[in-house]
Amino acid sequence: ETGVTQSPTHLIKTRGQQVTLRCSSQSGHNTVSWYQQALGQGPQFIFQYYREEENGRGNFPPRFSGLQFPNYSSELNVNALELDDSALYLCASSLEPSEGQYFGPGTRLTVT
Amino acid sequence: GNSVTQMEGPVTLSEEAFLTINCTYTATGYPSLFWYVQYPGEGLQLLLKATKADDKGSNKGFEATYRKETTSFHLEKGSVQVSDSAVYFCAPLKAAGNKLTFGGGTRVLVKP
Repeated sequence: ETGVTQSPTHLIKTRGQQVTLRCSSQSGHNTVSWYQQALGQGPQFIFQYYREEENGRGNFPPRFSGLQFPNYSSELNVNALELDDSALYLCASSLEPSEGQYFGPGTRLTVT
Repeated sequence: GNSVTQMEGPVTLSEEAFLTINCTYTATGYPSLFWYVQYPGEGLQLLLKATKADDKGSNKGFEATYRKETTSFHLEKGSVQVSDSAVYFCAPLKAAGNKLTFGGGTRVLVKP
């Protein structure tokens, strides 16, 4: 069974640019959630996708957007990057909510 | 919405010492409760979970009991090892939306 994978591992972007982060969910998991983890803090919920539809959103501006594909993989897009967007972006997949969410290793984004 | 209060770290222990990390939460209803662990440079790993009152989750020598009356889910381990050095996150799951709420995490450092 393959776990959650994310790409790329690290990324450096300039303020104002756009970025796309990718996530492959664990086999059989139909729900993908994205979290932002700033240095030294706990992860903050960005949004969740269930069967290709957005299924909840945290307190993030519209320049954070996403997609989920028929194979349940997902993308996180961030437009007009700001310095404060520098963080570890975590993707988590799940099937049954009570079983918990399974996280990938994350993408470390640095905005300069 | 849900919120989490965890004891602030860092918690520094000697090998084979007893570890307790306190966690209290506020939530609507009775959420499922999770502990996640984050080793340096990695994503989050699900450590243990409990889905209803008085349930005890356990894994790798760690235990936590769902205490509805005190809205707590304290993590314990009887004899820690150097390899337990990590950041530990308590997270209730909001039933509507399958969203995890994380506290700031507790850093644990175990010295030989």
